[in-house]
Amino acid sequence: DVKVTQSSRYLVKRTGEKVFLECVQDMDHENMFWYRQDPGLGLRLIYFSYDVKMKEKGDIPEGYSVSREKKERFSLILESASTNQTSMYLCASSSRLAGIHNEQFFGPGTRLTVL
Amino acid sequence: QKEVEQNSGPLSVPEGAIASLNCTYSDRGSQSFFWYRQYSGKSPELIMFIYSNGDKEDGRFTAQLNKASQYVSLLIRDSQPSDSATYLCAVNTYNNNDMRFGAGTRLTVKP
Repeated sequence: DVKVTQSSRYLVKRTGEKVFLECVQDMDHENMFWYRQDPGLGLRLIYFSYDVKMKEKGDIPEGYSVSREKKERFSLILESASTNQTSMYLCASSSRLAGIHNEQFFGPGTRLTVL
Repeated sequence: QKEVEQNSGPLSVPEGAIASLNCTYSDRGSQSFFWYRQYSGKSPELIMFIYSNGDKEDGRFTAQLNKASQYVSLLIRDSQPSDSATYLCAVNTYNNNDMRFGAGTRLTVKP
């Protein structure tokens, strides 16, 4: 059974705190993604990674950074959390070898509230 | 223009009816198309993918693709209350490993 796990389901942080969101996949996937999902805006890509130590900016990278030191783990970092970063954060992974059938598998999500 | 567009809904159909969900995309180089279902408070899960023009059927679900019109749809036959969810259309370009998602259509199936 394929699995993408995220470190927390719910998280409450204060403005200015540094926040780490962890994602781990057990499918040996090359590609990993971080999205945020807000009502009416759908899924927006923050960052993605094609390989270890590689990262690419998505559509809304401002205020975020990422780290991928191991193939199975992709971390999202909010350097200084702000209230407008309150959102649902979803991690996903996919196989580069799957060609055009490269379905993305999602983790359960982390609902982050910044006070 | 958004890359992937869907009617946000809500779309409401009676139980047993056919629900029709539509999606248009802007990148003509797009090669694969995915429909995800997302229940409230849960993460998206794949229902179907399609990459050839025409219809693809899987149980009560049929995906339809028309690349010339840049249009993809999902039909749900014999809709059930358990089909009530938000349906996300996603589009991928070959050799481009990131996927573009529509904002989703919220479907309600009334008993």
